[in-house]
Amino acid sequence: DAGITQSPRHKVTETGTPVTLRCHQTENHRYMYWYRQDPGHGLRLIHYSYGVKDTDKGEVSDGYSVSRSKTEDFLLTLESATSSQTSVYFCASTGGISDTEAFFGQGTRLTVV
Amino acid sequence: GQNIDQPTEMTATEGAIVQINCTYQTSGFNGLFWYQQHAGEAPTFLSYNVLDGLEEKGRFSSFLSRSKGYSYLLLKELQMKDSASYLCAVTDSNYQLIWGAGTKLIIKP
Repeated sequence: DAGITQSPRHKVTETGTPVTLRCHQTENHRYMYWYRQDPGHGLRLIHYSYGVKDTDKGEVSDGYSVSRSKTEDFLLTLESATSSQTSVYFCASTGGISDTEAFFGQGTRLTVV
Repeated sequence: GQNIDQPTEMTATEGAIVQINCTYQTSGFNGLFWYQQHAGEAPTFLSYNVLDGLEEKGRFSSFLSRSKGYSYLLLKELQMKDSASYLCAVTDSNYQLIWGAGTKLIIKP
């Protein structure tokens, strides 16, 4: 299995504060992703990266930014957290079968109060 | 637009067989994945289909028909631990993964 870890695993923050979630992978995968998962919506793509300093927006990117300064690290920042950003966040990288098999981190449960 | 449809929830009995369907409309097709996700955990890989037909792996099988934009996941000899959500995902022409909302499978004794 790909080694992919997220931190923190749980976080409670106040509305209006910035929050950064971290993702670290040890498989040298080129592509990395940030998703949010909410009941009834499944996995929704926030941002993805196709290389160091190369990132692009997903379908729900408003209010989020990302950075990738090294192959192994992908950061997600909520610039000013809102209650609508309360969710479970998953980081993933792709490799394996046809280079598109997704390997997921354990997830981060974020609550914005 | 791109779309993947799965039933929201299904219920089955321990020891029985259940089939979870997935239909897709995507910009191109480069493979279909099934993932299992237990409550509070990350999705984990179950199966991959890129050619038409059936792929069997133990108690789980996955079928693909590219002409119909259709796949199913077949679970046999259901066990209580199979209670989970099952996610269908398609790789499109840009090799991006498009995800369905998932099917919550409830197993009853």
